[in-house]
Amino acid sequence: NAGVTQTPKFRILKIGQSMTLQCAQDMNHNYMYWYRQDPGMGLKLIYYSVGAGITDKGEVPNGYNVSRSTTEDFPLRLELAAPSQTSVYFCASSFTSRQGGSYEQYFGPGTRLTVT
Amino acid sequence: KQEVTQIPAALSVPEGENLVLNCSFTDSAIYNLQWFRQDPGKGLTSLLLIQSSQREQTSGRLNASLDKSSGRSTLYIAASQPGDSATYLCATSQGGKLIFGQGTELSVKP
Repeated sequence: NAGVTQTPKFRILKIGQSMTLQCAQDMNHNYMYWYRQDPGMGLKLIYYSVGAGITDKGEVPNGYNVSRSTTEDFPLRLELAAPSQTSVYFCASSFTSRQGGSYEQYFGPGTRLTVT
Repeated sequence: KQEVTQIPAALSVPEGENLVLNCSFTDSAIYNLQWFRQDPGKGLTSLLLIQSSQREQTSGRLNASLDKSSGRSTLYIAASQPGDSATYLCATSQGGKLIFGQGTELSVKP
């Protein structure tokens, strides 16, 4: 199993540009997540998905959009990039029970994004 | 709203020392608590997961404890090694989502 994969590893955007961060998992996990990590800080949840066709906002969703058309893929879209979106973005997945108990989360290697 | 706090933010110890990292949380209604390791410029690696019904979990030189009533978890590292140098994050699980602390940056000096 490849686990959780993310592309690209690095990206530099100009203010106002758009891009999509790709995330895929091959573990048949139902839940998938997008986090951002700013220097010296923990991770903040941007969006998450409980299954194909279902997404929901996390703590910091403004400026981002997501979709989940398949179990495997969970792309994150940045529209009109701003310097405040300079961060490291992590995708993760887990199997989560109906009661909402999340089992171990597996993380991708991250995408380092700079907006100038 | 759940808040997770890790103290200290940074810790430097000599090789061979036993050490404890602390994690506190405000809402005890958690499903589980996870400890992660993050190396510079890398993603997160899960170290230990403690279910809410458990008191502790062990893996090699690592032991994590959970006290829901006091809102605390500790990660104990025995006989620390320079290879243990990394940032350690704890996270509580509620409703399928993780809430992270800010992390403790550990440096183990040879």
